[in-house]
Amino acid sequence: AQKITQTQPGMFVQEKEAVTLDCTYDTSDPSYGLFWYKQPSSGEMIFLIYQGSYDQQNATEGRYSLNFQKARKSANLVISASQLGDSAMYFCAMRDRGGNTPLVFGKGTRLSVIA
Amino acid sequence: DGGITQSPKYLFRKEGQNVTLSCEQNLNHDAMYWYRQDPGQGLRLIYYSQIVNDFQKGDIAEGYSVSREKKESFPLTVTSAQKNPTAFYLCASSVGTLSSYNEQFFGPGTRLTVL
Repeated sequence: AQKITQTQPGMFVQEKEAVTLDCTYDTSDPSYGLFWYKQPSSGEMIFLIYQGSYDQQNATEGRYSLNFQKARKSANLVISASQLGDSAMYFCAMRDRGGNTPLVFGKGTRLSVIA
Repeated sequence: DGGITQSPKYLFRKEGQNVTLSCEQNLNHDAMYWYRQDPGQGLRLIYYSQIVNDFQKGDIAEGYSVSREKKESFPLTVTSAQKNPTAFYLCASSVGTLSSYNEQFFGPGTRLTVL
């Protein structure tokens, strides 16, 4: 069965600094996808970045990058040049089959950016 | 604009009452999902539907029911059998594809409170 573990309940980062949010996963399927979502206090879920298990390069989307270490089963999110608007809950999720199977989510990390 | 709408935004229920949460999407997505989020927790899957007139139970289906009579709509009923229904409910949808890269788009959520 799939499992996502986020070990950091809360993180603080100074504005303009980089921060890494940890995510480890467990699956027996060789084909899977990893996702990161941001949830501001409004409650909406915002998709940030995706990494496929067969992707050769780490995914990047603007200030977001994914540090994918397949052998260690980790998919850490790196946010560069933090902004006050980055303060939110961040969720790591995965799907280990294709199609429309549901995503499995971790418990999240609350990031607070300090001016 | 294409997207997912959920109504109402806030819902109050007396103990013993059934309530129905609405979820509508105009993205032409095949699959729809319902998640529950408790304070400080991740998202837990209640039900999902990969195609019209078919749905599957998720991890916490007890006390909930759904229907999928139309592609655009996936209402969730919280029954009186659900012992602790106070939570934030999120609806999501995704397009049909065999790839593990299949982003789930989320609605704005409904916050249910039992009085």
